[in-house]
Amino acid sequence: KQEVTQIPAALSVPEGENLVLNCSFTDSAIYNLQWFRQDPGKGLTSLLLIQSSQREQTSGRLNASLDKSSGRSTLYIAASQPGDSATYLCAGVTDSWGKLQFGAGTQVVVTP
Amino acid sequence: DAMVIQNPRYQVTQFGKPVTLSCSQTLNHNVMYWYQQKSSQAPKLLFHYYDKDFNNEADTPDNFQSRRPNTSFCFLDIRSPGLGDAAMYLCATSSGTGASGYTFGSGTRLTVV
Repeated sequence: KQEVTQIPAALSVPEGENLVLNCSFTDSAIYNLQWFRQDPGKGLTSLLLIQSSQREQTSGRLNASLDKSSGRSTLYIAASQPGDSATYLCAGVTDSWGKLQFGAGTQVVVTP
Repeated sequence: DAMVIQNPRYQVTQFGKPVTLSCSQTLNHNVMYWYQQKSSQAPKLLFHYYDKDFNNEADTPDNFQSRRPNTSFCFLDIRSPGLGDAAMYLCATSSGTGASGYTFGSGTRLTVV
């Protein structure tokens, strides 16, 4: 069974610093990996989707990489802003049903 | 915009009183999922529908049921809610193996009193 781990569990940075969020998974036979953002009490907002054949995806200040051989994905957020404060979850798919296996998330606080 | 809509956003129910949460989608995705997320925890998959085929996770309590009357709608029924069922319930859709990613609704926050 796929296990997904996110380290650190919480992170606080001053505005303007770059954020690096880590996600590791145990099963390298992964179909795809997706990063989500969750604001307190809200649902999940998709940030980036990386297919198994891809190594990275970029959207604005966000860049996510995928290294299947080492079982790792990293989300970079450049020049962080207070509005980036949220919990970030990564999730991978390793079966044909498309079921997502989530990490517990990294709670990010960006201080002005 | 194509989207996943969950109703209601907040639901308060009494201990033991059946409750139904609803989810609708305009994406025409053939797979719909229900996740349960407790405070500060990862979302946990309860079940999913691939078209009309229902798939239950092995550790989903019998207290939880689901219905999918058509492609657009999916319901989560909790037959006898307990205090431990208080959580955020998230509905999601995908086109199959998730090649185009997953779209989540805004969730329903369930409180049991």
